[in-house]
Amino acid sequence: DTAVSQTPKYLVTQMGNDKSIKCEQNLGHDTMYWYKQDSKKFLKIMFSYNNKELIINETVPNRFSPKSPDKAHLNLHINSLELGDSAVYFCASSLAGGPKTQYFGPGTRLLVL
Amino acid sequence: QKEVEQDPGPLSVPEGAIVSLNCTYSNSAFQYFMWYRQYSRKGPELLMYTYSSGNKEDGRFTAQVDKSSKYISLFIRDSQPSDSATYLCAMSANTGANSKLTFGKGITLSVRP
Repeated sequence: DTAVSQTPKYLVTQMGNDKSIKCEQNLGHDTMYWYKQDSKKFLKIMFSYNNKELIINETVPNRFSPKSPDKAHLNLHINSLELGDSAVYFCASSLAGGPKTQYFGPGTRLLVL
Repeated sequence: QKEVEQDPGPLSVPEGAIVSLNCTYSNSAFQYFMWYRQYSRKGPELLMYTYSSGNKEDGRFTAQVDKSSKYISLFIRDSQPSDSATYLCAMSANTGANSKLTFGKGITLSVRP
């Protein structure tokens, strides 16, 4: 049973395209996150949602638009992709009561050509 | 100065060695300290969690937090080739719905058989 799953695992696309990444968790958590990990392995939070409500938005360009249709899903849509968007995007989830319970998905490797 | 600084590495040790991984931080509000392990092409997984200052031991792993020096460490005893991974320290100031983790850059450890 996969706790936090992401699709697709790999995404190769041209500059200027629009793409979406999907995330689902079956842990019953109420908070979900999107992180970006650059080529140097630096992991930085982008967004968090609690019970479908946007809680954290870390000055991410508005080309990135998260959407949470329900507590178990958090999707990330990226418009007008740029070269600098190439990275690994991780979804994570946790219970609101503690960061110690944050579980990460396997990541989506995005390469913008 | 970044909020969380971590020795950049990489680090290579022989099997059986004691490994010491360290992070320093500047935000005195941080109270929750974590170490995540990330294998190649996988998502980070929580390894150790500590609240406030003190030590915590789990098998071959010991986490130490010194809030007065704003310094945390992870010790790995009797290191094994299976410990080869990237280790990321992470910290948080609170546990509410708006809590977020701030990560160090990660250090890649290689344990040679």
